[in-house]
Amino acid sequence: GAGVSQSPRYKVAKRGQDVALRCDPISGHVSLFWYQQALGQGPEFLTYFQNEAQLDKSGLPSDRFFAERPEGSVSTLKIQRTQQEDSAVYLCASSLEARTQQFFGPGTRLTVL
Amino acid sequence: AQSVTQLGSHVSVSEGALVLLRCNYSSSVPPYLFWYVQYPNQGLQLLLKYTSAATLVKGINGFEAEFKKSETSFHLTKPSAHMSDAAEYFCAVSDPDTGNQFYFGTGTSLTVIP
Repeated sequence: GAGVSQSPRYKVAKRGQDVALRCDPISGHVSLFWYQQALGQGPEFLTYFQNEAQLDKSGLPSDRFFAERPEGSVSTLKIQRTQQEDSAVYLCASSLEARTQQFFGPGTRLTVL
Repeated sequence: AQSVTQLGSHVSVSEGALVLLRCNYSSSVPPYLFWYVQYPNQGLQLLLKYTSAATLVKGINGFEAEFKKSETSFHLTKPSAHMSDAAEYFCAVSDPDTGNQFYFGTGTSLTVIP
């Protein structure tokens, strides 16, 4: 596609529910990144994939967060047993390779009630 | 480790006035530096980037930034503000040796007064 797309754009979950957020990177982009952006804050790194390999997951805040990219293209960020502090915008970015410009998607705004 | 500090969470300028958004970085190695703009309900869009070539970097929409190693700064400027420049601006730093992570500042919200 022309850019990075994310779905859903908005998600409301009750506390304790599991959610899955999808990212479609730009075709051919090897690197894929997930960020969490809390209200009034800058994006914070969650995890990084190179093709299907998850090379860095140091930013995942807890073991309730899990990301995958099984075929090296589409990625899913899953949050289990959501908590109110998980409410944020989740941004996905892709790049041709790790050190080059990252292209960001519009984000998924997650609200946990 | 890398980090970014953006001084001033809110900046207001009059239309036609100079825009100056401040960014200071901390890095143990010569960094790559970026400025992104975020419009409401949209993703981040790259304005410009510094990757160890020319220290004065020109970006889109008339913005430019100058890398000053002695001051560990990468301030964003535009000579004349336009109403369409109203947005959130983020400075980011990455380690060129790994490049895996971008470290973002907390952002500066720019308001342009007609």
